[in-house]
Amino acid sequence: QVQLQQWGAGLLKPSETLSLTCAVYGGSFSNYYWSWIRQPPGKGLEWIGEINHSGSTNYNPSLKSRVTISVDTSKNQFSLKLSSVTAADTAIYYCARTVVSVYYMDVWGKGTTVTVSS
Amino acid sequence: QSALTQPPSASGSPGQSVTISCTGASSDVAGYNFVSWYQQHPGKAPKLMIYEVSKRPSGVPDRFSGSKSGNTASLTVSGLQAEDEADYYCSSYAGSNNFYVFGTGTKVTVL
Repeated sequence: QVQLQQWGAGLLKPSETLSLTCAVYGGSFSNYYWSWIRQPPGKGLEWIGEINHSGSTNYNPSLKSRVTISVDTSKNQFSLKLSSVTAADTAIYYCARTVVSVYYMDVWGKGTTVTVSS
Repeated sequence: QSALTQPPSASGSPGQSVTISCTGASSDVAGYNFVSWYQQHPGKAPKLMIYEVSKRPSGVPDRFSGSKSGNTASLTVSGLQAEDEADYYCSSYAGSNNFYVFGTGTKVTVL
């Protein structure tokens, strides 16, 4: 059974860089894309971007200038960096497995709460 | 890319059915058969309920069904049970520039 375990800093100051990592346990790492999705308090879901095992990425155009997603295949991990954060980036951040070519997320991490406050 | 439009709330009594709509555009819902639905209980991660418009993952009860007509997708929950009370989000593939767009979310209440 595939499990995603995620971690990272939960409290940031404005202008700092958000950094989260997600580890994949079980299943294939190379046959999927791996996504980051966020959910501001009391609001809906927003797709941030995705990466595959070879490092090919796709990003949400609205966040692209601040987002970097990277992969470490030796550890079956992928990471998110979001630069120049503001209070608007306060959210629960989820990692998820994305099924190639049929475009859905079938396994999700438990989420990491990130708060941006001065 | 704008979020897909869902009604804020829906409700039904146990045993009844509830249908949630998800309205998009030609660039997402109408353009692709890649609509998925997610259930989210308070404080929990979303859970995949429907993919490719109407397919159910293993383990999801057949009380959950999906459909699509034009730019509107729908999720129907038949035989409502107390554990179906949750937020539901639709999502659609939106092409190689925008990739994924989610719906605004619907809170389903079991009366």
